[in-house]
Amino acid sequence: GQNIDQPTEMTATEGAIVQINCTYQTSGFNGLFWYQQHAGEAPTFLSYNVLDGLEEKGRFSSFLSRSKGYSYLLLKELQMKDSASYLCAVRVPLSGGYNKLIFGAGTRLAVHP
Amino acid sequence: DADVTQTPRNRITKTGKRIMLECSQTKGHDRMYWYRQDPGLGLRLIYYSFDVKDINKGEISDGYSVSRQAQAKFSLSLESAIPNQTALYFCATSDVLVSWGEQYFGPGTRLTVT
Repeated sequence: GQNIDQPTEMTATEGAIVQINCTYQTSGFNGLFWYQQHAGEAPTFLSYNVLDGLEEKGRFSSFLSRSKGYSYLLLKELQMKDSASYLCAVRVPLSGGYNKLIFGAGTRLAVHP
Repeated sequence: DADVTQTPRNRITKTGKRIMLECSQTKGHDRMYWYRQDPGLGLRLIYYSFDVKDINKGEISDGYSVSRQAQAKFSLSLESAIPNQTALYFCATSDVLVSWGEQYFGPGTRLTVT
């Protein structure tokens, strides 16, 4: 089966750092994505990890441990506009060399002044 | 202009009606996807198409059908809508030439079945 777990909700203060965790158990693994989704809008790509370690992109970083089935998204210097849902998605293999994404339910982050 | 567009953006329909949701893209991508999003359940894959002649069922295809009219167009149909198909529907595309296959999402269609 395919299972991706993330916390449902988190709150944080403007200017602080927040870490959003994601654990997964999937039949196969070809990479992990993080997407940001503001309420009522389309998800937008934040990061991609396929090897273990940390990927940094400005205020956002994403970490992957394949042996533990674990990833986190780290948001630094939080801003009010970071209030959104954060979706963890695992890329799993299909037959014929193709892949598809399995999404977690998302973590709704509220940033307070 | 948006690269991935969806029409309509909002639709209210009655149980038993046939409805079509349309998706168009100008990104030149071969791969297209339809997802539905429900509160607490995340995005779930309905159908996907890796080129015009390739259509595949996703996790929750029952009650839905699709048509890939051209590389740029991928339509989702509900043959006989039912209330539990009320959801936010997203179309997405990805580029076969990009190894990690980042998906680009349209703005979504909010569908309500009464």
